[in-house]
Amino acid sequence: DGGITQSPKYLFRKEGQNVTLSCEQNLNHDAMYWYRQDPGQGLRLIYYSQIVNDFQKGDIAEGYSVSREKKESFPLTVTSAQKNPTAFYLCASSIDPYNTEAFFGQGTRLTVV
Amino acid sequence: AQTVTQSQPEMSVQEAETVTLSCTYDTSESDYYLFWYKQPPSRQMILVIRQEAYKQQNATENRFSVNFQKAAKSFSLKISDSQLGDAAMYFCAYRRRGGGSNYKLTFGKGTLLTVNP
Repeated sequence: DGGITQSPKYLFRKEGQNVTLSCEQNLNHDAMYWYRQDPGQGLRLIYYSQIVNDFQKGDIAEGYSVSREKKESFPLTVTSAQKNPTAFYLCASSIDPYNTEAFFGQGTRLTVV
Repeated sequence: AQTVTQSQPEMSVQEAETVTLSCTYDTSESDYYLFWYKQPPSRQMILVIRQEAYKQQNATENRFSVNFQKAAKSFSLKISDSQLGDAAMYFCAYRRRGGGSNYKLTFGKGTLLTVNP
């Protein structure tokens, strides 16, 4: 089955540690996105990538980093510089940046302990 | 900057009844897309319906329909014959037409819909 897989589903991090969230898609989509969701908030864009080896900052990129070395993969690293990392993180993809429909993964819940 | 406002944090409906969720948005663009996404307890975002701003006809998908009022910048979602499986958080979202920097979906804060048996 085609889709977007995010792992792990739940992640715990100690303060001061970096942690990487995985996002893999087998839909052959060019564009991929990372969103953050906080309680009572909509989704906010962290980073996006239109094509392999290219990515751009979204609205709340500070404290995060990404890579796009393969078309299928767009991992997100939450660094120690992110002051409030506890949130729900959603990865999405679309056929290309021009295509309106975005498909979402099931998310990763990150908690700082 | 574009903004999306959902003024109803929570709504409830009886099974088999009809409910309407409200959304307003602010943009200076004339060509854009509007969406309703559903987020059930599994938390995966699912596209419910899409409206293209240049189309005057309101979009419909089975029991889901929209009332798109471009001049008023209003985009409400009507769910007919509500089912227990419709219970979820519903997000209204906006996107400018085109690619490049137009990629971004701007979301409202959501409306939590409860369906009572």
